[in-house]
Parts: sequence; structure tokens; C-alpha cells
Amino acid sequence: DQQVKQNSPSLSVQEGRISILNCDYTNSMFDYFLWYKKYPAEGPTFLISISSIKDKNEDGRFTVFLNKSAKHLSLHIVPSQPGDSAVYFCAASAEYGGATNKLIFGTGTLLAVQP
Amino acid sequence: ETGVTQSPTHLIKTRGQQVTLRCSSQSGHNTVSWYQQALGQGPQFIFQYYREEENGRGNFPPRFSGLQFPNYSSELNVNALELDDSALYLCASSQLGGAPYEQYFGPGTRLTVT
Repeated sequence: DQQVKQNSPSLSVQEGRISILNCDYTNSMFDYFLWYKKYPAEGPTFLISISSIKDKNEDGRFTVFLNKSAKHLSLHIVPSQPGDSAVYFCAASAEYGGATNKLIFGTGTLLAVQP
Repeated sequence: ETGVTQSPTHLIKTRGQQVTLRCSSQSGHNTVSWYQQALGQGPQFIFQYYREEENGRGNFPPRFSGLQFPNYSSELNVNALELDDSALYLCASSQLGGAPYEQYFGPGTRLTVT
């Protein structure tokens, strides 16, 4: 049972335009959501996160939006740059500060930013 | 501050064999989590170690086991390898009870089972 879903395996955008990556989840117990970025031959690196008590969090060119009623979150990258080309994973946690730091990941979206 | 390191980078094993993967956690972290990332999938939680004890486990059979050492480094052992065990194995270090975003991943070990 896939609790965190990224339905778009890939996305291609032009440099300077907006990239929107989407993520849906099924478990209403999730209380924290994260986006990770992964380049080939490297481990995932943390990008931005949002607590379930917020609906938006912004960090520079990256903004994450959370719609709890729809169990949906999205990552906006504006403006997109060629260096943003990577696989983006959505992840969720139901145990903030709890017994484990377990993360549930989606399947990833490959973003290609064309110069 | 050193980051998370994993060894080896790549490994090829035959079905039925046993394998040990290693992870050195980031300085100051006391918890190590292991994830399996199959091709085209996201990382899946295998288990976590804290203070040398298993502290949470995902949906993986007992032939997946681990160790954590006093210096917080960790090993993942897989017995009786199956073809489906071919994957990228990631470890992540963190401080137990810390924020979820304070997990730092290593580059992974690519295991191929033939």
C-alpha cells in the first residue's frame, strides 16, 4: 500500500519557468512532510519541509504548499534553473520527535530543466 | 563535521550469499536508519538503530539484520540473498527525537544480486 504517491514520473520545464511537483498521501496521521532532491550517485538531500499545522512554507526559490483536506502537497520552484534537474522525492513522517525518525517516501519525479 | 559515508560503493553477489554493508554516521548523531531503494521506487524504511539496539523496523524479513557500534556506525547484513534484493541501500544518520528534516543520507551502496 503506497501511502505517499507521486503520480508524475517525470517533468520537463524551460529554464526560468515554474516547476510544480505534486504529491498525494493517504495517511491522515502524517504530521510532517518533506521534499528531498537526489542527484545520481548521491544520497537524497533535504530541500524543504512543512508541518501539518501550516499550509505554506517558503525558502528562496522553493515553496511547499499543503492542502490537508485533499491530502495533497506540492513543491513550486521559481524560477527553475538547469541545476535543479534531479529526482525529487516527497516524504512524510508520522512520528515527529517520537520513537523513530522513519520517513515514508514517494516514488520520485525526475525534473529536467531545459536551458 | 564529516558527513555520512557508506562502503562499499558497489557490490555484486550471487543468490544465496550473505552481504554486509557499512555506514558511518555524521558526527554528533546517535541514530542510524537504513533504507532500500529499488529501481524506479522511493527509499523504503528497513530499520533504525539507536544505542546499539534496533528501534523500529519496516516490512522486511528477519534475514535483514543490523548492528550499531559504540561510535554510532552501523552495519546492514542480508542473508540468503534473493534477486529482488538488488537495490540501492541508503543509510541516514540523525539525532533521535530531532526534527524529521535532520536526517542526513549517505551516497548509498548499489547491490546487484545475480
